[in-house]
Amino acid sequence: EAQVTQNPRYLITVTGKKLTVTCSQNMNHEYMSWYRQDPGLGLRQIYYSMNVEVTDKGDVPEGYKVSRKEKRNFPLILESPSPNQTSLYFCASSLLASGRNEQYFGPGTRLTVT
Amino acid sequence: SQQGEEDPQALSIQEGENATMNCSYKTSINNLQWYRQNSGRGLVHLILIRSNEREKHSGRLRVTLDTSKKSSSLLITASRAADTASYFCATDGKQTGANNLFFGTGTRLTVIP
Repeated sequence: EAQVTQNPRYLITVTGKKLTVTCSQNMNHEYMSWYRQDPGLGLRQIYYSMNVEVTDKGDVPEGYKVSRKEKRNFPLILESPSPNQTSLYFCASSLLASGRNEQYFGPGTRLTVT
Repeated sequence: SQQGEEDPQALSIQEGENATMNCSYKTSINNLQWYRQNSGRGLVHLILIRSNEREKHSGRLRVTLDTSKKSSSLLITASRAADTASYFCATDGKQTGANNLFFGTGTRLTVIP
């Protein structure tokens, strides 16, 4: 089954404790992206990647890091989480071809930073 | 910002009625997409319409695109309680490349059985 998986689904942590949210897709997609969703603000892009070893900042990259060492995986790293990073996070992937770039989303990771 | 804006923010209708949601955007696009999100879950792609298309159908969904007005509408016909969800439009910007999508804040649709 074609899918994007994220882990963990729920995470409560404390300020400053480094964490990683994993994302994996099995569709051989070149493009992967991380979003955060907050009430009233819609989805905002954090980082994206057009292919292995190619990553770039989205609209809200501060406080986050990513890596793309393999095509299927795109982990999101919070080196020193803060309460303003409490949010619902989504990973997504797609083909690169224009007109075929519908994105497939993971189930989401709800993060609470206290 | 290239972010799309959906209108209305919330919509409540009776089962069997049609639901119309609108999206406006600011810059030239390659295509516009609509997504659906059940509460707290991942978004699911519904339909993509290219900038050179004016109308597209998929089952009970009908999407229109007016590039001169930079707007799109999503019509769901004969709504069902299971259509209750949030609906988002997403645009890509010709300046930034085809794959980065900019999402609006969504329309929350409630279909009353």
